[in-house]
Amino acid sequence: ETGVTQSPTHLIKTRGQQVTLRCSSQSGHNTVSWYQQALGQGPQFIFQYYREEENGRGNFPPRFSGLQFPNYSSELNVNALELDDSALYLCASSPGQGALDTQYFGPGTRLTVL
Amino acid sequence: AQSVTQLDSQVPVFEEAPVELRCNYSSSVSVYLFWYVQYPNQGLQLLLKYLSGSTLVESINGFEAEFNKSQTSFHLRKPSVHISDTAEYFCAVSERNSNYQLIWGAGTKLIIKP
Repeated sequence: ETGVTQSPTHLIKTRGQQVTLRCSSQSGHNTVSWYQQALGQGPQFIFQYYREEENGRGNFPPRFSGLQFPNYSSELNVNALELDDSALYLCASSPGQGALDTQYFGPGTRLTVL
Repeated sequence: AQSVTQLDSQVPVFEEAPVELRCNYSSSVSVYLFWYVQYPNQGLQLLLKYLSGSTLVESINGFEAEFNKSQTSFHLRKPSVHISDTAEYFCAVSERNSNYQLIWGAGTKLIIKP
């Protein structure tokens, strides 16, 4: 069983640009959640997808969007990047949906916005 | 849950000494409670969780946490720490009326001194 993987590991963008981050969930995991973790803080929930449909969203603006694909991969897209978007972005997969499930985290993508 | 507070950003402790990492939350509804651990250069991993039943939950590596509803706390304890416990520990909460959103504390770095 492979773990959760994310790409790229690091990324540098400039303000106003767009970025796509990718995640590959564990096989059989129908739920993927995305988090933003700023330096020195805990993760903040961005949104969750279950079977390719968004089924929950945190306090993030619409320029944060996502996609989930049938092959257990997913994307986080961020438009019009701002300096405050610099953070570690984590994805986590789980077999079902809901708070009872254990989430399995990837190593993260470190995004720097200049 | 409206917020999760981890009172200590760092906890230094000597090897084989006991440790307690504190976590308090605020919520007006019933909650699920989690502790995740992040070892150096690794992704977040579930350490233990409280869903229902016994308020004392244990992990396989000797940690335990007790849910105290009256004090809205879920402190993590270990009677004797080992150098391999060096990591950052995150407390997280999910409200029972929310299927998906984990609210996280800022984390506590456990530093084991030889």
